Amino acid sequence: GAGVSQSPSNKVTEKGKDVELRCDPISGHTALYWYRQRLGQGLEFLIYFQGNSAPDKSGLPSDRFSAERTGESVSTLTIQRTQQEDSAVYLCASSFRTGGDQPQHFGDGTRLSIL
Amino acid sequence: QQPVQSPQAVILREGEDAVINCSSSKALYSVHWYRQKHGEAPVFLMILLKGGEQKGHEKISASFNEKKQQSSLYLTASQLSYSGTYFCGTEGTGNTPLVFGKGTRLSVIA
Repeated sequence: GAGVSQSPSNKVTEKGKDVELRCDPISGHTALYWYRQRLGQGLEFLIYFQGNSAPDKSGLPSDRFSAERTGESVSTLTIQRTQQEDSAVYLCASSFRTGGDQPQHFGDGTRLSIL
Repeated sequence: QQPVQSPQAVILREGEDAVINCSSSKALYSVHWYRQKHGEAPVFLMILLKGGEQKGHEKISASFNEKKQQSSLYLTASQLSYSGTYFCGTEGTGNTPLVFGKGTRLSVIA
């Protein structure tokens, strides 16, 4: 597609359930990033993937969070045993490659609400 | 380390100018600027690189002071469409992930 695509756009679930969020990057973009944005707050880095290199997981807040990426395509972010504090918008971005000279292109995000 | 943005919020009338600042306590390789409108995804504005030139176009431009580890975003003759939250993202040396500031909320009123 033309841009970064995320699904679902909204997700409401009960505390304790697992959720899977999906991101389809721009074709040809080797770098993919996940961010969390709580209401009225900035962008909190979670994890990034660059090609076939080991992902940088330094931003994952707990072991309940994990992410996978198949090659240079789709990525899924999984949150296990969700807590109310996980409620946020989860944004995915991609860029041609990692590096400070590469703009990031964001998807519209998944709004996650934990009841 | 998270960069500090100032001001946190600003209200402008159409046609007025604004400056948004982004400061880091660490040496920087690059600074990114993004704008996010309410309920939408952040949109890329520009990147400034260490040793690079001031970027921008007629109405929105930015500078990067490497010695002070600061960047400033300049919005001139603001338009209603400039309203949104502006984020800077900084990258230190070593190809590390971007760290974003908390954002500056800009409101342009008629």
